[in-house]
Amino acid sequence: DAKTTQPNSMESNEEEPVHLPCNHSTISGTDYIHWYRQLPSQGPEYVIHGLTSNVNNRMASLAIAEDRKSSTLILHRATLRDAAVYYCILRSGGQNFVFGPGTRLSVLP
Amino acid sequence: GAGVSQSPRYKVTKRGQDVTLRCDPISSHATLYWYQQALGQGPEFLTYFNYEAQPDKSGLPSDRFSAERPEGSISTLTIQRTEQRDSAMYRCASSALAGAFSSTDTQYFGPGTRLTVL
Repeated sequence: DAKTTQPNSMESNEEEPVHLPCNHSTISGTDYIHWYRQLPSQGPEYVIHGLTSNVNNRMASLAIAEDRKSSTLILHRATLRDAAVYYCILRSGGQNFVFGPGTRLSVLP
Repeated sequence: GAGVSQSPRYKVTKRGQDVTLRCDPISSHATLYWYQQALGQGPEFLTYFNYEAQPDKSGLPSDRFSAERPEGSISTLTIQRTEQRDSAMYRCASSALAGAFSSTDTQYFGPGTRLTVL
């Protein structure tokens, strides 16, 4: 399975934008890039996914590098509720969902 | 139902006992997954069901672990002769699509069952 690399932790101030990076240099042409997050004491929840083009939804934006070897999850205005572990995951059909350790985001008031 | 539910939420057992964990997926969801999550780690895949079929058991740590989904809805995960190393959060997720690992499939997770083996 193609692997992802994320920083262990990041900090942000409340109401500021947050850019969470993910490196996936061995990504294949059929791999979708998924982001999930896990709030304290909860199960993971879906955030966003994309293949090649940048994606926006009500939770976040996903910026995908032209060569697809990296991507960035963008939270436009961090709130205290966004403090969570963020997982960057690659998926092709027929492969397991491999979570990895993720990035622990702390949001400071 | 409105979301994925799991029961019990907490289970404490003694080493050597059998335990059964239950997952009730979102109604009509075709695929159901089981994960094990140790403290401070991401979830690790155990097994999944496509309706009642179980195409992949590769993540089950040993033959003490088994799972069922006999009618393609509710699923149970059974751990026989529990060991202390089985202590973890066990999470269930479901997704609407059949074919388990569709590239764009979204998984919806339950609150988990925290298992403690003394």
